[in-house]
Amino acid sequence: GESVGLHLPTLSVQEGDNSIINCAYSNSASDYFIWYKQESGKGPQFIIDIRSNMDKRQGQRVTVLLNKTVKHLSLQIAATQPGDSAVYFCAENIYGGSQGNLIFGKGTKLSVKP
Amino acid sequence: DAGITQSPRYKITETGRQVTLMCHQTWSHSYMFWYRQDLGHGLRLIYYSAAADITDKGEVPDGYVVSRSKTENFPLTLESATRSQTSVYFCASTGLAGAYNEQFFGPGTRLTVL
Repeated sequence: GESVGLHLPTLSVQEGDNSIINCAYSNSASDYFIWYKQESGKGPQFIIDIRSNMDKRQGQRVTVLLNKTVKHLSLQIAATQPGDSAVYFCAENIYGGSQGNLIFGKGTKLSVKP
Repeated sequence: DAGITQSPRYKITETGRQVTLMCHQTWSHSYMFWYRQDLGHGLRLIYYSAAADITDKGEVPDGYVVSRSKTENFPLTLESATRSQTSVYFCASTGLAGAYNEQFFGPGTRLTVL
């Protein structure tokens, strides 16, 4: 089975609320994690990444948290907007040295209610 | 300034036919990738290439062939299409060798094998 997965396949939030999308990984050797956003009919788009030597990283309206103890990754979106509606994927690089080893989770669909 | 493009965007073919999906990037990125995306499986790597004339198998390479004669192009060929190859195919690229770098995705090709 896949080592990267998501706790919730769908998430519905009210516009303006904060969103939290979760991801679990199973391999403690994973040392790089990325969140991608995929809008309908488009390819995945990079949102934010984090290395295993960090436990938090912030971007514009987004924050990624990494808990290596429980092998858990989360994406927090502040003040969620309708344009945030998409499928969100987490991905991990297991071996730390090759681009060919990036493993993607199955995705969580975020729906923003106006 | 097209970035990374894929053609065709949609393709319907029949079982047993040969199909080639094209991928072109204008950034002179060294690394290029082919993924397929299916419901319940997320993104799975088919093949990738570290440079012209260098290719490697990914997670699901069976039934596919790739070539990389020029840095900017990375065609994916299904030599004898099967129904199980019905999927959305994404091409991606990245310019740096290290694992800690995002991949940039094309818009995808939706392939239906009848």
